[in-house]
This record gives sequence, C-alpha cells and structure tokens, in this order.
Amino acid sequence: GDSVTQMEGPVTLSEEAFLTINCTYTATGYPSLFWYVQYPGEGLQLLLKATKADDKGSNKGFEATYRKETTSFHLEKGSVQVSDSAVYFCALSAMNRDDKIIFGKGTRLHILP
Amino acid sequence: DGGITQSPKYLFRKEGQNVTLSCEQNLNHDAMYWYRQDPGQGLRLIYYSQIVNDFQKGDIAEGYSVSREKKESFPLTVTSAQKNPTAFYLCASSMGNSNTEAFFGQGTRLTVV
Repeated sequence: GDSVTQMEGPVTLSEEAFLTINCTYTATGYPSLFWYVQYPGEGLQLLLKATKADDKGSNKGFEATYRKETTSFHLEKGSVQVSDSAVYFCALSAMNRDDKIIFGKGTRLHILP
Repeated sequence: DGGITQSPKYLFRKEGQNVTLSCEQNLNHDAMYWYRQDPGQGLRLIYYSQIVNDFQKGDIAEGYSVSREKKESFPLTVTSAQKNPTAFYLCASSMGNSNTEAFFGQGTRLTVV
C-alpha cells in the first residue's frame, strides 16, 4: 500500500542554519505531496504542496521539489529561525479506491537561539 | 470565515463512560477524517468519510464510532471499549480529490480520569 517515510527526529539546529528534512514515498499512480506543520497544542497547517513531478512547492522560506525519479519530497529552508520550531509532517494523497491521506510519522525540529 | 471547528478543546472522562467529540466544517468539503495523536507520535487514522451517510474504518477503529448524517458534521464517539483513550484527537476535512490538501481543526485533548 501507499506509505510515507520521513527522517526520525528530533532535529536540533542553531538559528540561521540550513535545514533539510528527508521524505520519501511509495505510491501507485501519481500522488500529490504535502508538508504540514504542527505547533504545540494545535492542529496541522498546510505548509506547502506539489501536485505533479518536478513541481516545487514553497512558502515562508521553505521549499520542496516533487522528484518522481527518486520518489522524494525533501523539505528545505536556507536559514531557520527559532519560530520554526515545530513538528513537520510529510503526506501524500492519491486517487485510489480508499482515497486516504497518508502521513509520515513527523519530525520534531528544535531551533536554538 | 470558513474553517473546521472541534469542540471542546479539553475533555475529561471517567473510565467506563462514552464521550462524543464534535467536528464541524463550513468548507463544503465532501471528505472528513478523524486522527489520533499520542505524545511524540504521528497521526493514526481512526475513521474517514468520503460522503454523507457513508464512512470507513481506518487503522485503529476499535473502540470508536462515528456518524455522518450531515455534510458539515462528523462526530466521533469514544466508547468504554477503547482501552487507552487518553490522547489528542484531530479532525480534518478535504475536497476528497488527490490534488487538494486537508484542513485540520485545533484538536481535542481527551483525558481519562
């Protein structure tokens, strides 16, 4: 079945460091891919998305490129801030019989001032 | 403003009692979902519904029940059969096709006392 695998956390970085959170997926067909962010005690918010191969999603300085050849959707940011501390979830949505949204297990990010 | 609303934000339940968590959306979304999140864990799908009067079990449906009598509403009942109900519960909705993202409520934190 469809699945999403993302790097285990927690990830701890200093402010202004470069961030990469790896995400790979397994899916039949052509899924859409998403990154969500969750701040403490809150629900998930969409951070960015890409709906077809080679699309780049971007928002708030974060970017991710849909790589069909490597089945990946890695999240990157050039210079992180303390306010980026949160849990990040990679997800996919595919048109199949179940039509569920599949989430990775989440990666907790800590940014030190 | 359109959105998805969960209530209450905090809920306490005595062992052996059933409790119902509310989820309402005014986004005209066809699909709705319930997830459970335990501390430091990812999201686990409890139930989902693609259309009114129809719903499917997710990965951890045992001890839970749902109804979808109206498009806007997807309440979740945590029954006494759920052995470890203390968790953070998240409701989400989407258009139900693969290109669109899910919108999440703010969550309900259920504690069994």
